[in-house]
Amino acid sequence: GEDVEQSLFLSVREGDSSVINCTYTDSSSTYLYWYKQEPGAGLQLLTYIFSNMDMKQDQRLTVLLNKKDKHLSLRIADTQTGDSAIYFCAETESGGGFKTIFGAGTRLFVKA
Amino acid sequence: GAVVSQHPSWVICKSGTSVKIECRSLDFQATTMFWYRQFPKQSLMLMATSNEGSKATYEQGVEKDKFLINHASLTLSTLTVTSAHPEDSSFYICSADSPAYNEQFFGPGTRLTVL
Repeated sequence: GEDVEQSLFLSVREGDSSVINCTYTDSSSTYLYWYKQEPGAGLQLLTYIFSNMDMKQDQRLTVLLNKKDKHLSLRIADTQTGDSAIYFCAETESGGGFKTIFGAGTRLFVKA
Repeated sequence: GAVVSQHPSWVICKSGTSVKIECRSLDFQATTMFWYRQFPKQSLMLMATSNEGSKATYEQGVEKDKFLINHASLTLSTLTVTSAHPEDSSFYICSADSPAYNEQFFGPGTRLTVL
């Protein structure tokens, strides 16, 4: 079945850039998402990219999509302590209905 | 953007009791809602897809008699955990799709603790 994989932890210094990587298996994914989850809270959609795009930039966030390798990345520029959270990569299955498959999440630690 | 609420946000119950969790889309109509479960330090696991006016579609391994889902209207879906046990303790998150916005919106989650 469909699978989404991410590394579990990432630690960066405040002010540096963070890059969180994700791989997926469903070649017919339509949308790929990045969600942020702060402790004890629900999910916050950060950004998403259509499968026909290679890159999307939104302020400090840059999403890169390599469809050939089924690789998605999220770059956070000038990482701040408030960016410390769990970041989930997700993709929608083909067939519509917005059924979404999530990765295990990457816990980002930002050191002051 | 659209808002999805969940109630309650946190519930503690005794083993053997049933707990109902509500998911509401506050300012849009959601023909499809999703229920997820999240274990500590793990990802979200899709439990079921709920379509208004029809039976929910459960993912493999999810007991439909244990987790009852009712999608009575375009703005409300409920998840009832029947005869809850400590292993049902988890964070339950719902989401609602919005064709108008072309994305899913997530509720804030409900933390269930079964003693």
